Amino acid sequence: GAVVSQHPSRVICKSGTSVKIECRSLDFQATTMFWYRQFPKQSLMLMATSNEGSKATYEQGVEKDKFLINHASLTLSTLTVTSAHPEDSSFYICSARDDREAGNTIYFGEGSWLTVV
Amino acid sequence: AQSVTQLGSHVSVSEGALVLLRCNYSSSVPPYLFWYVQYPNQGLQLLLKYTSAATLVKGINGFEAEFKKSETSFHLTKPSAHMSDAAEYFCAVSVDTGRRALTFGSGTRLQVQP
Repeated sequence: GAVVSQHPSRVICKSGTSVKIECRSLDFQATTMFWYRQFPKQSLMLMATSNEGSKATYEQGVEKDKFLINHASLTLSTLTVTSAHPEDSSFYICSARDDREAGNTIYFGEGSWLTVV
Repeated sequence: AQSVTQLGSHVSVSEGALVLLRCNYSSSVPPYLFWYVQYPNQGLQLLLKYTSAATLVKGINGFEAEFKKSETSFHLTKPSAHMSDAAEYFCAVSVDTGRRALTFGSGTRLQVQP
């Protein structure tokens, strides 16, 4: 099946610094990618929709200046957490829609654990 | 807007027993429905999807789900549970308009007892 790679899988950063998470579709093109956040033992909450070549669409309550999303190519989207604070510590998961497939099938990356100390 | 409700945050079955995880959806337009599985500290793996073709959908690892429009349900079943099935299961819905992002249920943790 389609593969989505996310990097890094774990990152620890100091409070006030920025950290970038990459999401790549390895064997398909993805015009649209999605970024989710998951707190322990909870469901996934959609943060933003990333569209290749255009600005991301953020969900209500998500700070676009804090969570910068860039979708520069059909296989890569990045999420940058700027001026990170401990409350930003979470599991971030990206997903990508396979442009070839009908039925809106979305594939997920392995997730990235962010710990802000 | 669409939504998903998963009944039962925890389900425990014995190895070899039937697995039934419940999912009900709400959508004003024809939905796409999905089941994903998440193992600890990992991303989500697609188990199966309903895309308006057959109402009974077969997925990986012996799982299947049946779309019942009259009941707005998409319950996940497996005839015989294995220990390796222990994980978190998420039902999700999307539609073919707008952002077409997935909306997830709250998840059901499946425990399999030996």
